[in-house]
Amino acid sequence: DQQVKQNSPSLSVQEGRISILNCDYTNSMFDYFLWYKKYPAEGPTFLISISSIKDKNEDGRFTVFLNKSAKHLSLHIVPSQPGDSAVYFCAASGYSGGGADGLTFGKGTHLIIQP
Amino acid sequence: DTGVSQDPRHKITKRGQNVTFRCDPISEHNRLYWYRQTLGQGPEFLTYFQNEAQLEKSRLLSDRFSAERPKGSFSTLEIQRTEQGDSAMYLCASSLAGSAGNTIYFGEGSWLTVV
Repeated sequence: DQQVKQNSPSLSVQEGRISILNCDYTNSMFDYFLWYKKYPAEGPTFLISISSIKDKNEDGRFTVFLNKSAKHLSLHIVPSQPGDSAVYFCAASGYSGGGADGLTFGKGTHLIIQP
Repeated sequence: DTGVSQDPRHKITKRGQNVTFRCDPISEHNRLYWYRQTLGQGPEFLTYFQNEAQLEKSRLLSDRFSAERPKGSFSTLEIQRTEQGDSAMYLCASSLAGSAGNTIYFGEGSWLTVV
């Protein structure tokens, strides 16, 4: 029973274009969402997060959108750069500012930026 | 801020042997987490500590696994009588309880191969 789903195992985007990575969740108790980037043989690196009280958060080239009614979030990267090639994980937490549990992760989307 | 550090980065062991991993969290963080990641999956929550107290354990954490954080600083994860199914990357992470949102920062992971 996957509570956080990333339905695209991989995504190929041309350099300079926009990359859009999608994530769906089923647990309505989740109220804090994060995106992590992971290179092979390294730990995940935190990218950006969003609280459920917001519908958008922006940090440089990265923007996360949250649609609570659809239980859907997306990560936009614009413009895409070769160094963005990595696996991106969507994660959700049930409580902001503390909490009894860690994060629930999706299976990841492998983003490939084509030159 | 030196980040989360893990040791060893790689470990190859024979089935039935015991292994221990160490994690040093970000110095001011009071929460410490252990996750496990296998190929094609996102990180899966194992357990977490707030200071020296182990507050939650996943059902993934069988009785062959034990984690400690004796002085509320570094933590160890021991796996006894290793099995081939234990082969995975073991990720340590830390966060500051009470900070806005529960942003967890990961170390680079410890690869375990059981032969």
